[in-house]
Amino acid sequence: KAGVTQTPRYLIKTRGQQVTLSCSPISGHRSVSWYQQTPGQGLQFLFEYFSETQRNKGNFPGRFSGRQFSNSRSEMNVSTLELGDSALYLCASSLVRPEDEQFFGPGTRLTVL
Amino acid sequence: GESVGLHLPTLSVQEGDNSIINCAYSNSASDYFIWYKQESGKGPQFIIDIRSNMDKRQGQRVTVLLNKTVKHLSLQIAATQPGDSAVYFCAEINAGGTSYGKLTFGQGTILTVHP
Repeated sequence: KAGVTQTPRYLIKTRGQQVTLSCSPISGHRSVSWYQQTPGQGLQFLFEYFSETQRNKGNFPGRFSGRQFSNSRSEMNVSTLELGDSALYLCASSLVRPEDEQFFGPGTRLTVL
Repeated sequence: GESVGLHLPTLSVQEGDNSIINCAYSNSASDYFIWYKQESGKGPQFIIDIRSNMDKRQGQRVTVLLNKTVKHLSLQIAATQPGDSAVYFCAEINAGGTSYGKLTFGQGTILTVHP
């Protein structure tokens, strides 16, 4: 069974631009969560989607948004990029419940110049 | 607010030794704890989990201990191998609330195993 895939793996943008990251969950998984990982703040929860609905959201500004499609694939968007948005963005998929094991993808490394 | 923190940022051991990685958590409502391993260039990988109604759980070469009185979690790795070198994170979730998908992670401990 294929794991969680994320595209692109690396991305370089400049301040003020916007970016869209993609995540394909494990087949059969309906929950997709997104996390931001930085050296200073560690791993922080962004949001979680299930059946195309956002069920939970972390403490990030409105510039961070996401969506989920009917096939459970998910995208996250960051608008008006700031230098501080440089990070590894991780996607994780799980079955349904909050305590179901989350399987992480390799992440997308975003660098904002 | 919720927070999960680690006491030691780095741990160096010799191959074959046992390793103990510690984690403190502050959210008493957390009822599910997980340990993850993250190797360079990869996403976190599940190691073992434990529910709050348990004190100890064992896996293959790993044991997780939970002390709810002092809100402390530990991961023990037996006969540590060079392949165990990675960053280890503890994470917690309140499965009974509305914390869908929201894992709260600790800062991480870098484990280095010397041959």
